[in-house]
Amino acid sequence: QSILTQPPSVSAAPGQKVTISCSGSSSNIGNNYVSWYQQLPGTAPKLLIYDNNKRPSGIPDRFSGSKSGTSATLGITGLQTGDEADYYCGTWDNSLTAYVFGTGTKVAVL
Amino acid sequence: QVQLVESGGGVVQPGESLRLSCAASGFTFRTYAMHWVRQAPGKGLGWMVFISYDGSNKYYADSVKGRFTISRDNSKNTLYLQMNSLRAEDTAVYYCVRGTTSDAFDIWGQGTMVTVSS
Repeated sequence: QSILTQPPSVSAAPGQKVTISCSGSSSNIGNNYVSWYQQLPGTAPKLLIYDNNKRPSGIPDRFSGSKSGTSATLGITGLQTGDEADYYCGTWDNSLTAYVFGTGTKVAVL
Repeated sequence: QVQLVESGGGVVQPGESLRLSCAASGFTFRTYAMHWVRQAPGKGLGWMVFISYDGSNKYYADSVKGRFTISRDNSKNTLYLQMNSLRAEDTAVYYCVRGTTSDAFDIWGQGTMVTVSS
């Protein structure tokens, strides 16, 4: 079972902003880097954010990440229909000696 | 280009075995840690197992510990997952994933489907 909690869904109109939260604990988010992944329908996940707030080459700056304590947040500005996807946070858990993913959040563009 | 290609998925009965392979290309495979991640139909992502760049360290999710074995052949740029005693709940798409030094998963394969059903 996932031990990183995300809201099941978020939605907004095109051009607007959404934020997705990822809540964990000191054994995972609190002491490790957080990554975010985007999974478009029917495709493999793709790395969106790493090291809490860095974007891989090719990821637009509409996507941003932040971390505070045992929580992390993904922000998407200028929402586009192509952003409709599932988004997952992920990090290493020192107590479990395992990588953990968030429960996932579906983004809908109204 | 940097690529991971999984193979070996299929339909098996409960209790049977299957070996997945992941062929890496476009990067220096022997210098990267690798993982397997799975996704059951309609469900979220689930991390399965990690192997260090040289194969000396391995970590497993509790759900597969003792049944699954990860290995790698750096001379063949290939990652493996031996899956024994398969159960219905192992039914999923299995992804081969490259790990970075800060535990981000930066390259994903296209996935291979494993179905365990009688």
